[in-house]
Amino acid sequence: AQTVTQSQPEMSVQEAETVTLSCTYDTSESDYYLFWYKQPPSRQMILVIRQEAYKQQNATENRFSVNFQKAAKSFSLKISDSQLGDAAMYFCAYRRGAQKLVFGQGTRLTINP
Amino acid sequence: DGGITQSPKYLFRKEGQNVTLSCEQNLNHDAMYWYRQDPGQGLRLIYYSQIVNDFQKGDIAEGYSVSREKKESFPLTVTSAQKNPTAFYLCASSMGGQGFYGYTFGSGTRLTVV
Repeated sequence: AQTVTQSQPEMSVQEAETVTLSCTYDTSESDYYLFWYKQPPSRQMILVIRQEAYKQQNATENRFSVNFQKAAKSFSLKISDSQLGDAAMYFCAYRRGAQKLVFGQGTRLTINP
Repeated sequence: DGGITQSPKYLFRKEGQNVTLSCEQNLNHDAMYWYRQDPGQGLRLIYYSQIVNDFQKGDIAEGYSVSREKKESFPLTVTSAQKNPTAFYLCASSMGGQGFYGYTFGSGTRLTVV
């Protein structure tokens, strides 16, 4: 079974600085999708960014980018120019086709003003 | 606008009572899911349904029941058999066979046993 591991339960960063959240996963498949979701204090789950495994180019969405290392099964999220509104729980997730999303345990990110 | 609506936002249950949490989507998604989240914790899958009139147990189905009579609706009943139901419940949906889209989530229901 696929598993997703987020080894950092908590992270903190100074406002305007850059932070990287780690995620590793285990799969024997070659075609799948990876996601980062953000859950702010409102508890609403928001899709931050997604990566298709067959694409070598790392996905980017404004201040959010990923470092996708397929051979190493690593999928880290980099947040540049951190803002107070980035404070949230971040979940890494894996999905293959129509199968269920497999979530990591989450990383709580604190932004220090 | 398309989306998922969960109601109520807050729900209080007395010991021994069954309660039903509503989840409705107008996204024409085939699959729907229920997750439980305890404070500071990750998401645990309760039940999921990939097609109308069919559903499967997730990792923590004991004490819960669901139905999927319509594509748009996937209500969750928390029964009196659920020993510790106080938690935050999230409903999600996804397009069938379309892994690219991930899930769309509702805004959640916070259930408290009083």
